[in-house]
Amino acid sequence: EAQVTQNPRYLITVTGKKLTVTCSQNMNHEYMSWYRQDPGLGLRQIYYSMNVEVTDKGDVPEGYKVSRKEKRNFPLILESPSPNQTSLYFCASSYLGQVDTEAFFGQGTRLTVV
Amino acid sequence: DQQVKQNSPSLSVQEGRISILNCDYTNSMFDYFLWYKKYPAEGPTFLISISSIKDKNEDGRFTVFLNKSAKHLSLHIVPSQPGDSAVYFCAALLTSGTYKYIFGTGTRLKVLA
Repeated sequence: EAQVTQNPRYLITVTGKKLTVTCSQNMNHEYMSWYRQDPGLGLRQIYYSMNVEVTDKGDVPEGYKVSRKEKRNFPLILESPSPNQTSLYFCASSYLGQVDTEAFFGQGTRLTVV
Repeated sequence: DQQVKQNSPSLSVQEGRISILNCDYTNSMFDYFLWYKKYPAEGPTFLISISSIKDKNEDGRFTVFLNKSAKHLSLHIVPSQPGDSAVYFCAALLTSGTYKYIFGTGTRLKVLA
C-alpha cells in the first residue's frame, strides 16, 4: 500500500529538548516536504527536498532542520523546540515533473512544546 | 503575504445542492493548482488539480475552474453529499526555479442532510 508514514503521531516535549519527527514514503517519490498547520493560517511549508541531498527552505523554516540522506526518508529536526512550534505537522511526498502532481500526505504529528 | 487566499472560512450547503469553494491567488507564475480535502485527525488527500494553461478540469462530481485574468479558481461539487463535509485547501505549485507548494487557509464545508 502506497503511504507516507510519520512518527510519532503525538508528542509532548519541553522547551529546548531536541527532537526528531520521522517521515518515510514507499512510493519512490523524488519530492518530499514538511508543513505545519495552525488555526487561521492553513498549511505552511517548512522545508522541501527535490531529491537525495537536495533540500531547500519553504516559507517558515526558522527553528527547523531537515536531511535527505535516503530517498525514502525525510526527518524533521527541532534542535531547540520552543512553545511557538506547538503545531500539527504533516509530511508529504510526490513525483516531480508530472502534469497532475499530487502530494500524498502522512497522518500528521501533533507536537506540544511546554 | 498570503499568495493563496481562501476568503470564506466556512460554508454550509444542503445535501444535493452545489457547493462552490473559492480561491484567489496573487502570483501569476503558478504552474498548477490543486484542491485537497482534509478530515479531522487525518492528513490532506488530493482531490483534483488543474494546469495553469487550462480553464476547467472535471472529475466526477468535482470540477475546478480557473480564471487566470482574475487570478481566481473555484471548486464545484455537484451534487453535494454529507461525506463531503471536510476542510478544503486550495494549493498552488510554483516550479520555475523552485518547487514550492503554497496553500490557502482552508474552507470548512458542511453538507447538511
